[in-house]
Amino acid sequence: DTEVTQTPKHLVMGMTNKKSLKCEQHMGHRAMYWYKQKAKKPPELMFVYSYEKLSINESVPSRFSPECPNSSLLNLHLHALQPEDSALYLCASSRQGIPYTNEKLFFGSGTQLSVL
Amino acid sequence: SQQGEEDPQALSIQEGENATMNCSYKTSINNLQWYRQNSGRGLVHLILIRSNEREKHSGRLRVTLDTSKKSSSLLITASRAADTASYFCATGSARQLTFGSGTQLTVLP
Repeated sequence: DTEVTQTPKHLVMGMTNKKSLKCEQHMGHRAMYWYKQKAKKPPELMFVYSYEKLSINESVPSRFSPECPNSSLLNLHLHALQPEDSALYLCASSRQGIPYTNEKLFFGSGTQLSVL
Repeated sequence: SQQGEEDPQALSIQEGENATMNCSYKTSINNLQWYRQNSGRGLVHLILIRSNEREKHSGRLRVTLDTSKKSSSLLITASRAADTASYFCATGSARQLTFGSGTQLTVLP
């Protein structure tokens, strides 16, 4: 199994809603990532979990809350989002944890989030 | 912060032609990678070249790396309509992988 699975594929939420994005991999990878991608822009790193511990938080607003329940699962909890948070949210994993060396990332298909 | 800048931003070619994309970066790297992204989908890893390598091939892909100029190029030979996608270079440091601005490639049938 060489897949990273993200659910849901699409999500529409109001600014007062609470929702969660889910990501799962069964490749035994030790690092998992959340990226945010706006249309026609490159992915921007949000969080990195390495060996199930939060290793990198790229100054992401607290309305985004990551969680790594176990080595295969990664969640992103969303609360009180703004319309400008609408984007494609991508999960990725890599075989080794941080410090990052010569690892390639395996990406999920993403969750297209719209905040109304 | 965004490390790599890609050139051109958009490229349109006929099927069968070769496509060349360039990537420039600013700081020291451990490796440089290229990824492809079809519209609205996740990124797919294409090729990784280490900082001590100069050229690498994978099928119809050829990547070069010039660390003295802090630049890399991706050549896709004999392009197909299915190669239509965005292509991103990504530079790896000790801490993380950072993506460049991307090139949108359109291959016309």
